[in-house]
Amino acid sequence: AQSVAQPEDQVNVAEGNPLTVKCTYSVSGNPYLFWYVQYPNRGLQFLLKYITGDNLVKGSYGFEAEFNKSQTSFHLKKPSALVSDSALYFCAVRFLLPGTYKYIFGTGTRLKVLA
Amino acid sequence: DSGVTQTPKHLITATGQRVTLRCSPRSGDLSVYWYQQSLDQGLQFLIQYYNGEERAKGNILERFSAQQFPDLHSELNLSSLELGDSALYFCASSVLAGGVNEQFFGPGTRLTVL
Repeated sequence: AQSVAQPEDQVNVAEGNPLTVKCTYSVSGNPYLFWYVQYPNRGLQFLLKYITGDNLVKGSYGFEAEFNKSQTSFHLKKPSALVSDSALYFCAVRFLLPGTYKYIFGTGTRLKVLA
Repeated sequence: DSGVTQTPKHLITATGQRVTLRCSPRSGDLSVYWYQQSLDQGLQFLIQYYNGEERAKGNILERFSAQQFPDLHSELNLSSLELGDSALYFCASSVLAGGVNEQFFGPGTRLTVL
């Protein structure tokens, strides 16, 4: 079955330290991969996406993600965390089905950046 | 502000009832997506419309239906409501249909079924 996994419910990191939020997927074919962020009482905001090409994708607010096909992973990274990065992060996969496509979102990882 | 509007913000209703959630996409966006976010099931993709036509279907129950009107706004109809339908319902929009573009999310409608 097609799936997306965010293995950590919460990630704590000190301000100024690098952060990684993990995402692995299991879908057939060549998926499109996305990261979204959700702040309290708000809708999701797009951060970045991987469609094809360079495995390192740069996005909004200094975030980047690395696509690793052999490990079927798309981890979100930032070199230096800010307290304002504290939020809920979702990984999403778009994959093809016969004649259509579908989205699956991970369960979300709560990032807490400590001052 | 994403440019996507959703009404109402909050909705409280009883089991067995029917409600309609409304979404207006960003100006120029032809695609509308509906999502359900609940504590136990996370964020679930329900359905997508592009320029009035259904384009992709996710985990949408038969009691739920949606449509997109000529002015591109969309409505999600939830009927025979159950306690488990209590959730935050998001609408999102994008320019194109293929699911490759970033989606812009509205603020959501919080549905409480008592």
